[in-house]
Amino acid sequence: QVLLVESGGGVVQPGRSLRLSCAASGFTFNTYAMHWVRQAPGKGLEWLAVISYDGMNKYHADSVKGRFTISRDNSKNTLYLQMNSLRAEDTAVYYCARQTLPAAIMDYWGQGTLVTVSS
Amino acid sequence: DIQMTQSPSSLSASVGDRVTITCRASQDITNYLNWYQQKPGKAPKLLIYNASDLETGVPSRFSEGGSGTEFTFTISSLQPEDIATYFCQQYADLPLTFGGGTKVDIK
Repeated sequence: QVLLVESGGGVVQPGRSLRLSCAASGFTFNTYAMHWVRQAPGKGLEWLAVISYDGMNKYHADSVKGRFTISRDNSKNTLYLQMNSLRAEDTAVYYCARQTLPAAIMDYWGQGTLVTVSS
Repeated sequence: DIQMTQSPSSLSASVGDRVTITCRASQDITNYLNWYQQKPGKAPKLLIYNASDLETGVPSRFSEGGSGTEFTFTISSLQPEDIATYFCQQYADLPLTFGGGTKVDIK
């Protein structure tokens, strides 16, 4: 079955960096685009970034552009989110999600990993 | 960016009631709309895509209608297991955007 498992979250000081990972299994990872979405405590969902199946095309939300970078390693069936210059407002649960073929419908989600930015 | 406005933000209904949630887009998104259900402490789950197609395994009491800028999500007969927050999401254009969510609970 499709499984997405995020890791790498934790407590980090403002201004520092963190890299999240999303390990995929149960499907042919290198044929699916992937997304990152976050949810601040008690808030709604905020879409962050998408990467094409081959990693050649990426799009980031303006709120994280220049600070966050989505990437993938298809040889490892893993999606990444590099987060730099973290701010308190980046505190959230971060989810990875698989996109259906071919539309931007996120049909499977991981369980999420919590990132807390605090001094 | 396409803004998605969802209403109400919360509602309380009895088991068996018909529940309706509205999602409005700031511009025409044709039928490029999805609905997700999120239970407390869990990841969102896709319920409906393309504005009206039910994801495999989702009960038929869930449905959606609408196109363009106005969409209506309906639970025909509310069940205790439907207690959750529901989000609409457009995919007509990047950035993908979500509605603010509607929290549904039992009266």
